[in-house]
Amino acid sequence: RKEVEQDPGPFNVPEGATVAFNCTYSNSASQSFFWYRQDCRKEPKLLMSVYSSGNEDGRFTAQLNRASQYISLLIRDSKLSDSATYLCVVTLYNNNDMRFGAGTRLTVKP
Amino acid sequence: DAMVIQNPRYQVTQFGKPVTLSCSQTLNHNVMYWYQQKSSQAPKLLFHYYDKDFNNEADTPDNFQSRRPNTSFCFLDIRSPGLGDAAMYLCATSRDLGGGNIQYFGAGTRLSVL
Repeated sequence: RKEVEQDPGPFNVPEGATVAFNCTYSNSASQSFFWYRQDCRKEPKLLMSVYSSGNEDGRFTAQLNRASQYISLLIRDSKLSDSATYLCVVTLYNNNDMRFGAGTRLTVKP
Repeated sequence: DAMVIQNPRYQVTQFGKPVTLSCSQTLNHNVMYWYQQKSSQAPKLLFHYYDKDFNNEADTPDNFQSRRPNTSFCFLDIRSPGLGDAAMYLCATSRDLGGGNIQYFGAGTRLSVL
């Protein structure tokens, strides 16, 4: 079983749609969680950290369910510029290894 | 302004010909990392430096080596590139170790092996 699993997609949605990505992780000792965004042939960039209480940043909402070892990212009112691959990232607290999911590809169409 | 800079952006080498990829940072971060990312796959950590301490991942092939001559620079040396080593190589930095530290990535070097 992979350490971090994501639905690879692709998700093709129209502008304005709401889309949700899911991610599961296998190590129950994982402490830090992030969503990164990676545009085609570019480097990953931090989108948002994911906190136990959940957090929201504009159109983006991240949730964490430790009991189910599950993280989600919700994008509301999708824009064309949201088209990218979204990487789920998990780390152990005292271990700097960031374990990446393979990413979920999103394409937002006019 | 770019804070983690990788050169070159594209590198072509021949099978078996040593190649060096370069990374520099202006963030004065303690930790520098090298990742390998193949098409449609997750970035895979090869190794990292905490200051001058080198930490190799258990499954990183011996063909991959790294040097960090000072805080700002880190190099990835591939001693004898094989066709399977063609990938995007990403350098990243973080202020410190520990799960809460965010990693900042360079734009990557795309390596082709002929």
